[in-house]
Amino acid sequence: AQTVTQSQPEMSVQEAETVTLSCTYDTSESDYYLFWYKQPPSRQMILVIRQEAYKQQNATENRFSVNFQKAAKSFSLKISDSQLGDAAMYFCAYRSARRLNTNAGKSTFGDGTTLTVKP
Amino acid sequence: NAGVTQTPKFRILKIGQSMTLQCAQDMNHNYMYWYRQDPGMGLKLIYYSVGAGITDKGEVPNGYNVSRSTTEDFPLRLELAAPSQTSVYFCASSYVNTEAFFGQGTRLTVV
Repeated sequence: AQTVTQSQPEMSVQEAETVTLSCTYDTSESDYYLFWYKQPPSRQMILVIRQEAYKQQNATENRFSVNFQKAAKSFSLKISDSQLGDAAMYFCAYRSARRLNTNAGKSTFGDGTTLTVKP
Repeated sequence: NAGVTQTPKFRILKIGQSMTLQCAQDMNHNYMYWYRQDPGMGLKLIYYSVGAGITDKGEVPNGYNVSRSTTEDFPLRLELAAPSQTSVYFCASSYVNTEAFFGQGTRLTVV
């Protein structure tokens, strides 16, 4: 079974600084998708960034980038120039790319990291 | 597009009662999911579906049932509610290779 581990329950960062959130996962599959979601106090889940396992290039979205290490099964999120609005709970998620049989479409989340941004 | 719509937003149930949480999406997504989120915790997968007529158990399926008779709808049934089912429930949908789109959540309290 796939598992996702976020080893940092809480992180804090000074405004305008850079912070990295860790995520590791366990799978026997070779093709899958990885996501980072943000959940502010409103509870709404918001996509931050996504990565396809077959792509070697790390995904980037403005101030957000990932360090995807497939062999190490690691998928960390770097937030540059942190802003007060980045404060939220961040979830790492894994989804199988299988379209048939066991685990097709199955999607698993980590327990989350609460990020505090200090002014 | 309304996206993913969950009803109700809030509900209080008594122990032993049953209810159905409704979820509908208008994006023609083939994948749909039900998660529960306990306070300060992550999302635990209850059930998921890769298409109409196909459902499968997630990590915490006990005490719940689902059906998927259409692409759009994916209701979650709670039978014999227990205090341990007090949680926030999220429905989500996606295509095979896209991110999941989430509903606003249903806060359920069992007393």
